[in-house]
Amino acid sequence: QKEVEQDPGPLSVPEGAIVSLNCTYSNSAFQYFMWYRQYSRKGPELLMYTYSSGNKEDGRFTAQLNRASQYISLLIRDSKLSDSATYLCAMSADGAGSYQLTFGKGTKLSVIP
Amino acid sequence: GAVVSQHPSWVICKSGTSVKIECRSLDFQATTMFWYRQFPKQSLMLMATSNEGSKATYEQGVEKDKFLINHASLTLSTLTVTSAHPEDSSFYICSARATGSTDTQYFGPGTRLTVL
Repeated sequence: QKEVEQDPGPLSVPEGAIVSLNCTYSNSAFQYFMWYRQYSRKGPELLMYTYSSGNKEDGRFTAQLNRASQYISLLIRDSKLSDSATYLCAMSADGAGSYQLTFGKGTKLSVIP
Repeated sequence: GAVVSQHPSWVICKSGTSVKIECRSLDFQATTMFWYRQFPKQSLMLMATSNEGSKATYEQGVEKDKFLINHASLTLSTLTVTSAHPEDSSFYICSARATGSTDTQYFGPGTRLTVL
C-alpha cells in the first residue's frame, strides 16, 4: 500500500459545478497537508495548507482534514474553466527534519463549458 | 512573495553532454531546496534534498555522480545532469523551503529536458 493514495481521474465537470478531490494516507506520522495545482508543463502551485483537523476555507476552495479517518479533501465551488489542471495532495511528517513531501499521483480535472 | 525561478525552462541536448539547471528563490532565502523529476502522467518523485553549504542527500536509486547538486548560496541551487542519455529526458522541478518556515515548499516552473 502506498503512503498516499489519490485517484488520478480524469475528472470532467461542467462550469459552476462543485468538485471534491480526495486523498487517503497510511502514515500516521504525517502532520502537514497541502494541496497543489499544476497546469500542464508547469511547476506545482501551492493552493492550500493545513495541519489542523477540520475545514479551512480560501475563497472557492475548502480543504478538509480528517485525521481519524486519515484522509484529506479539497472542495472547489463554482468551478471555472481556469480550474482545469492536475491537483496534487502532499504531506510531510512533523519533526522529520528533512521537510520532505510525499505526493499523491495527482487528479486531472477538466472543467468544461 | 515566495517566487522560485528555474533556468532554462526547456533544453534539448545530445546524448553524452551535460546540462546544468538553475533554481533560484527570488524573494526569500532558502536553506533547503529540493529537486524532483516528473515523468508524463506521473507524480513528482523526489531526487535529492539540497542544503545550503553542505552535500545533498540523494534518494535511493538516484545516482549522485550523475545528478550533481550544488547549493552554494541561500538563493541558488543547481542540478547538473552529467553525460545525459535519452532515458534522462524528463521534467525537472525544484522547490524551496523558506528559512524558518514550516513544511511548505514553493515550486519552480520546471525545466523540460530532452536528450536526443
